[in-house]
Amino acid sequence: QKEVEQNSGPLSVPEGAIASLNCTYSDRGSQSFFWYRQYSGKSPELIMSIYSNGDKEDGRFTAQLNKASQYVSLLIRDSQPSDSATYLCAVNQGGSEKLVFGKGTKLTVNP
Amino acid sequence: DVKVTQSSRYLVKRTGEKVFLECVQDMDHENMFWYRQDPGLGLRLIYFSYDVKMKEKGDIPEGYSVSREKKERFSLILESASTNQTSMYLCASRGTLYEQYFGPGTRLTVT
Repeated sequence: QKEVEQNSGPLSVPEGAIASLNCTYSDRGSQSFFWYRQYSGKSPELIMSIYSNGDKEDGRFTAQLNKASQYVSLLIRDSQPSDSATYLCAVNQGGSEKLVFGKGTKLTVNP
Repeated sequence: DVKVTQSSRYLVKRTGEKVFLECVQDMDHENMFWYRQDPGLGLRLIYFSYDVKMKEKGDIPEGYSVSREKKERFSLILESASTNQTSMYLCASRGTLYEQYFGPGTRLTVT
């Protein structure tokens, strides 16, 4: 069973801090990695994608991928209360049309 | 921007009714997906389609069927709704790099 694991949280950080969200995956053939943000009662929104080892930055968000260790992380700098949401990690295994989703980490940013 | 729309945001149906959920995407994507999301269980794939009239079962297809007569439209059908099908239903469309874009979701209540 291919799995994507996330700490369910909740993760609580003060406003302005760095929030670090982690995800591990079981299939070494995985090639594409995504982070989604989901506000309560809303649908998931794609915020980051990463395909090769290293860091990818987009504004306050940085995705980090380490294929050797089979983990992908999301850093949110200068966290804002509006970042409070559940963050889903998703992984595409090579050759598959599907994504495997983690169950998400709930993040709360306290003013 | 990719736009995925779903026919209803909220739906209330009675046990035994036949229910149709419709999803439309405007990006000429070949792959479309139906998920349900329940607290503690995460996103679970019901069915997906990789071309017109082509479909494949996901992880929990029992009690559901799908229809894809046109490329932009993917319908989920609950043949005889039951209370355990009360859930948030999410449609997604897949882009060229395996990323998925979600519609706003339909919260279905079966009474």
